[in-house]
Amino acid sequence: DIQMTQSQSSLSASVGDRVTITCRASQNINSHLNWYQHKPGKAPWLLVYDASSLQGGVPSRFSGSGSGTEFTLTITTLQPEDFATYFCQQSHFPPYTFGQGTKVDTK
Amino acid sequence: QVQLVQSGAEVKKPGASVTVSCKASGYNFLNYDFSWVRQAPGQGLEWLGWISTYNGDTNYAQKFQDRVTMTRDTSTNTAYLELRSLRSDDTATYYCAREGRVTNPDFDCWGQGTLVTVSS
Repeated sequence: DIQMTQSQSSLSASVGDRVTITCRASQNINSHLNWYQHKPGKAPWLLVYDASSLQGGVPSRFSGSGSGTEFTLTITTLQPEDFATYFCQQSHFPPYTFGQGTKVDTK
Repeated sequence: QVQLVQSGAEVKKPGASVTVSCKASGYNFLNYDFSWVRQAPGQGLEWLGWISTYNGDTNYAQKFQDRVTMTRDTSTNTAYLELRSLRSDDTATYYCAREGRVTNPDFDCWGQGTLVTVSS
């Protein structure tokens, strides 16, 4: 199975900050990497697919980059509604594994 | 609008089985496949497997191969997850997720989640 590692289990930030979340794959997954936002009691929300393509309806302050084994999700100007947990997921080969998540909380 | 509505919370005893349903609306059910994903308390997301809504083909994660069955009913636009021989570590919120694409899928719409609690 492909292992996905998000090295930061949590990070503290303030409204207006630039936030960068990283995700590493245990093998080359090309650009087959998706990012989700997840809030308690709600369904996960697809933000970015294919490493850098913004899903429809997602604010432009979110962006994704990377390929191969190293990937990044960036929030350029953190908004109050962005405090949540962010997961990466590889879609290169089943089982489609997820990172453990990075919780963005208030500094 | 696209919506996936799951069945309600379940409490089961160890060794029992549970079936979770996921009813789709707002789009052509046959055009998108489903995955099932779970999240145990305090843990990350875990993929259980995939079902084709077109022909019912399935692909299960090896970890669940002998305990899981995924089916779908095209007459009611509903997907089902059955998990058997439940253990305490199966306690989790189970999600259905629509696959946005056939290959290298993203999950572009999710159900609200169904909490399954396994306890004696």
